Parts: sequence; C-alpha cells; structure tokens
Amino acid sequence: SQKIEQNSEALNIQEGKTATLTCNYTNYSPAYLQWYRQDPGRGPVFLLLIRENEKEKRKERLKVTFDTTLKQSLFHITASQPADSATYLCALTAGSARQLTFGSGTQLTVLP
Amino acid sequence: DAGVIQSPRHEVTEMGQEVTLRCKPISGHDYLFWYRQTMMRGLELLIYFNNNVPIDDSGMPEDRFSAKMPNASFSTLKIQPSEPRDSAVYFCASNLRGRANTGELFFGEGSRLTVL
Repeated sequence: SQKIEQNSEALNIQEGKTATLTCNYTNYSPAYLQWYRQDPGRGPVFLLLIRENEKEKRKERLKVTFDTTLKQSLFHITASQPADSATYLCALTAGSARQLTFGSGTQLTVLP
Repeated sequence: DAGVIQSPRHEVTEMGQEVTLRCKPISGHDYLFWYRQTMMRGLELLIYFNNNVPIDDSGMPEDRFSAKMPNASFSTLKIQPSEPRDSAVYFCASNLRGRANTGELFFGEGSRLTVL
C-alpha cells in the first residue's frame, strides 16, 4: 500500500543548529514533492516544491533534497530560530493525480 | 487577495444535526480541495473540484458527507446527520493549475467541528 512517513513525531533542537526532517515514501512515483509549515490553529502554508528531476532546492535558510532512489526527501532549516517552531508536513503527488497526499508531519521545537 | 476564506471557524453541534461548512477560494483558482485533519489520521483529502465539477470524491467517508460547488467562488461541505467521529478540523484549499503546474495549495484557516 502507499505510505508517506515522516521521522519522529517531535523533534527538539537548540537555537542556531540545523534541523533535519525526513520524509520517506513507498509505492509512489511522485512527480514532485512539497513541504508545508503548519502553526497551531492555522492552515498549512506552502514552503518549497522540488521536482523528481531536481536533487536539491534552496530558499533562504531552507533546503530540500529529493532522492528518488532512496524514496526520501530531507528538509533542512539552517541557523534555526524559535520562530521556526511548527509542524512541518511533506506532501506528494504522483502520476496524473492532481491531489496532494500528506504525511503525518513532524513537530519541530527550537529551544532558545 | 484575502486568501481562502472558510466559515464558520468553530462549530459545536449535537449528534444528528446537520452541519454546513463554507469555503470561498482565491479568485481565479480553478481547483478546490476539501481536507479533513485529525490527530489519528492527519490530513486526508475528501473531495476536489476542477472548474466547479467534482473530480474525485473517493475520500468522502460515507453518504452522510456531500460537497457542492455551485460557482467558482463558493463551495460547501455538508454532513447530515453528524456523528461524534466527524469531529475534526476541515480545511478548504485552492490552486491554479494553468501555470507552470507548481501544484502548491493555498489553505484556509480551517473549520473546527465538534460533534457532541
């Protein structure tokens, strides 16, 4: 069956360190993969998209990698700040499907 | 742009009552999605529309759920009759696929439903 798994439900790191979040998938051949941020009581907000033919994409302090052989995406936040504390969701679409399927999310807490 | 607008933000109702959730997508977006979020199951797609036409409703849990999109600026998700297990946050999202197919979704703030 198709599955999207994100590493540990919660991740705590010290301010200034790099946070690394993992998204693994099985039985998908995604055309692209997306990362969203969700704050408590709010809707998810789009952060980054990476296509299957791209290895890496960056946006300010964010970096996403996409390894279609390992079926894995890594999401990095460098020089993390307490304001980065949120739940981060990966999502993917595959083939001709138009809809996004989301992972369960990783709750990140950056400690001051 | 005001973004995707959902109402009500919070709804508390009793089992058996009808619930109607509303969504106004971003103007010009041609896709509209309804998702449900719970702690146990995360974000699940219920149904999505393209140009006001339902395309895939395979995520709708059962016949008690129905969704309509009478025009490009309005959609409803109705639950009748509601049950306690329907308690969740319901999100509406919209998207414009006519461009470079970036696929990013714009979500509303959600409607938190509690069925007693």
